[in-house]
Amino acid sequence: GAGVSQTPSNKVTEKGKYVELRCDPISGHTALYWYRQSLGQGPEFLIYFQGTGAADDSGLPNDRFFAVRPEGSVSTLKIQRTERGDSAMYLCASSPSGTKGETQYFGPGTRLLVL
Amino acid sequence: GQNIDQPTEMTATEGAIVQINCTYQTSGFNGLFWYQQHAGEAPTFLSYNVLDGLEEKGRFSSFLSRSKGYSYLLLKELQMKDSASYLCAVKGGATNKLIFGTGTLLAVQP
Repeated sequence: GAGVSQTPSNKVTEKGKYVELRCDPISGHTALYWYRQSLGQGPEFLIYFQGTGAADDSGLPNDRFFAVRPEGSVSTLKIQRTERGDSAMYLCASSPSGTKGETQYFGPGTRLLVL
Repeated sequence: GQNIDQPTEMTATEGAIVQINCTYQTSGFNGLFWYQQHAGEAPTFLSYNVLDGLEEKGRFSSFLSRSKGYSYLLLKELQMKDSASYLCAVKGGATNKLIFGTGTLLAVQP
């Protein structure tokens, strides 16, 4: 079946603007994760959803970052007043139910560039 | 604190064997994952270890020692397409988040 999809694949914006990044997880997966990856680094955890609720948002760097998953499937990561330091690859992953041994399957990512 | 260490870069020859090491210190442990990531692409799952020992899957094997906080990924019969970054990640503590190392960039040469 289809894997995790993310849109847009690339986003260029200006400092101070608002952006939304979308993630469509594997059908039926209740657990959804957002990570951010800078060049030459491993992904860094941002937020984890179990169903519609954020079970762990400890990785969100500040209050400019917010994510929602209103119907328990598609999720949107929202960044307000973007800064140049927000430029990175934003990765979304999903897993079937969020139990501890499950593999997380990653989408192709959205590459965000803030000018 | 939480820390995952792996070498930044490695070089190996086509057809050879390479071992990529990973050491970790995390609060809690619920398994260790290895992912492969080609430049500009998403990480793809390679292996998972939660108990001590060796897990073999074709040309790839992964080993875990929980008492030593140590894992390695072994790649046999290297092919040029194996040139990629290899990410070690630990699922720790009460949440399901993955804590990644910086990745090891492997270059396979002819």
